[in-house]
Amino acid sequence: IQLTQSPSSLSASVGARVTITCRASQDIASSLAWYQQKPGKAPDLLIYAASTLQSGVPSRFSGSGSGTDFTLIISSLHPEDLATYYCQQLDSYPLTFGGGTKVEIK
Amino acid sequence: EVQLVQSGVDVKKPGESLKISCKASGYIFGNYWIGWVRQMPGKGLEWMGIIYPGDSDTRYNPSFQGQVTISADMSINTAYLQWSTLKASDTAMYYCARRGGHCSGGKCYTEDNLDYWGQGTLVTVSS
Repeated sequence: IQLTQSPSSLSASVGARVTITCRASQDIASSLAWYQQKPGKAPDLLIYAASTLQSGVPSRFSGSGSGTDFTLIISSLHPEDLATYYCQQLDSYPLTFGGGTKVEIK
Repeated sequence: EVQLVQSGVDVKKPGESLKISCKASGYIFGNYWIGWVRQMPGKGLEWMGIIYPGDSDTRYNPSFQGQVTISADMSINTAYLQWSTLKASDTAMYYCARRGGHCSGGKCYTEDNLDYWGQGTLVTVSS
């Protein structure tokens, strides 16, 4: 299963609403997770089962979608959200990742 | 507290072998899948494979099948990723990560996430 993320990079101002999309090459129901990777760090889980917020993750992050189309939204961008965001499907092996979206602060 | 602690930086020559480790603590090691993810310099995440330590069931990404071996030792709560013949193209950061799950009524169920990650092991292969 291939995952296509868009955009591959974006630049937004603090406070802006940011939307990242992830499209699967076939139906994966809700078996999708989102991760945040800050520079030089290991990834952190943000959202799983397409829309469930991982414990401790700020509520400005949200996920939606099912089937083949998924969205990660940051409702109000904070400076500490500078990172690369990845989607991952866990519907079937191999558990593929999307190509990543690099978020920069304007 | 769940923790995955990986072995340190490794510098090897092409053709050499290597085994890196991921020591788990804070949970029942045999009840959760644990996998490996590669990140080449400046690139994205690639899922390599995963093992269920409880019965050693192992699944590989076809792109890595035959290139690496994933194993686990339940006696010391440690997962491993090994190469028999390293290449320069194996230069990367390698992360271990636990697949989330929960146990209820004597059965354990996987969740759709990698909920805990190791800090990463940087492997450099250069002549």
